[in-house]
Amino acid sequence: GDSVTQMQGQVTLSEDDFLFINCTYSTTWYPTLFWYVQYPGEGPQLLLKVTTANNKGISRGFEATYDKRTTSFHLQKASVQESDSAVYYCVLGERNAGAKLTFGGGTRLTVRP
Amino acid sequence: NSKVIQTPRYLVKGQGQKAKMRCIPEKGHPVVFWYQQNKNNEFKFLINFQNQEVLQQIDMTEKRFSAECPSNSPCSLEIQSSEAGDSALYLCASSLANSDYTFGSGTRLLVI
Repeated sequence: GDSVTQMQGQVTLSEDDFLFINCTYSTTWYPTLFWYVQYPGEGPQLLLKVTTANNKGISRGFEATYDKRTTSFHLQKASVQESDSAVYYCVLGERNAGAKLTFGGGTRLTVRP
Repeated sequence: NSKVIQTPRYLVKGQGQKAKMRCIPEKGHPVVFWYQQNKNNEFKFLINFQNQEVLQQIDMTEKRFSAECPSNSPCSLEIQSSEAGDSALYLCASSLANSDYTFGSGTRLLVI
């Protein structure tokens, strides 16, 4: 079945550091790939989405490229802020509205002021 | 401010009791999902609906949960007989045909 792997369970950075969160996926389909962010006490919120291989998604300074060759969708940000502290999920979805999502294990980002 | 509204935010039940939670999907979204998020942040898909009809559900949901999504009323998910292992955050999400998913803030269930 489909799977998503995030190797980093926790990442701790200082403000203005570069962020890189690793994500690889496995599926037999041509998926839509998402990054969701979850703040304490809230549900996941969409950060960015890419539907087509080799395209890049950009939102709020975060970016991720859908790399079909390496089956990766790593998340990057050039300069993190304390307000970016949250849990980030790499998520795989199919191309129809009824399809369920497959979540990675999540990466807890802590940004120190 | 989520466009998917879940109630209640917190629910405390004894083992064996029923636990019911509700969800109002984002307006115009025909597909509704329920996920369970455990304390290790792992997500488990429970069930989804499209226009009131069940699309998919896992075995656990079929056996122990009751769920519906009637027209013009909130969707609901009810555990028929709560177990300690059911303690989790229950998330409702809705989506459009272009696969944008919106999540609610969840109902946190504690079974004591």
